[in-house]
Amino acid sequence: EPEVTQTPSHQVTQMGQEVILRCVPISNHLYFYWYRQILGQKVEFLVSFYNNEISEKSEIFDDQFSVERPDGSNFTLKIRSTKLEDSAMYFCASSPRSLNEQFFGPGTRLTVL
Amino acid sequence: GENVEQHPSTLSVQEGDSAVIKCTYSDSASNYFPWYKQELGKRPQLIIDIRSNVGEKKDQRIAVTLNKTAKHFSLHITETQPEDSAVYFCAASPLGGYNKLIFGAGTRLAVHP
Repeated sequence: EPEVTQTPSHQVTQMGQEVILRCVPISNHLYFYWYRQILGQKVEFLVSFYNNEISEKSEIFDDQFSVERPDGSNFTLKIRSTKLEDSAMYFCASSPRSLNEQFFGPGTRLTVL
Repeated sequence: GENVEQHPSTLSVQEGDSAVIKCTYSDSASNYFPWYKQELGKRPQLIIDIRSNVGEKKDQRIAVTLNKTAKHFSLHITETQPEDSAVYFCAASPLGGYNKLIFGAGTRLAVHP
């Protein structure tokens, strides 16, 4: 069964550094998402991406964040200048169509020191 | 925006008992309500979902009910087993929100043998 994959599984970075989190959604899916989950807390929506552009973003997704789908298979989340409070598990998800199951990747644990 | 409240935060049951988790949502236009199970350190996985044109849905030991008037929905697990132990998240998808999911805070279910 196809799965969403994410790399790396764990990223440790210094405050102020840029990080890029990578995701490979399921191949025939059309909707792509990033969520984050701070340890012990709920999953929070960051951004949705459809038809090669951002369709919606949350208040968390400020100017320090950006997303790209550079080559039709990868879907990346970039944080330009990381802060301590960016430490969280970041999940990528994809969905084949509107109002359908979102399939989550295994997550990337980001630790900002 | 949409807000989802989930109760209880923890639930402890004996194997074989039933477990019920309740969620309320604020946006009456929300029209898709999935439930995800998350085991420790793993990705959220969909266990059941319901759309706003349906009042109840069942899949073996798991059922979900939706009351649109009261804006609440519930997860029912019957004949619980130790492997049901996990954190369960409800979510709601606001209409027109490109299917972003707004999650509840989660319920940690412990099933004791």
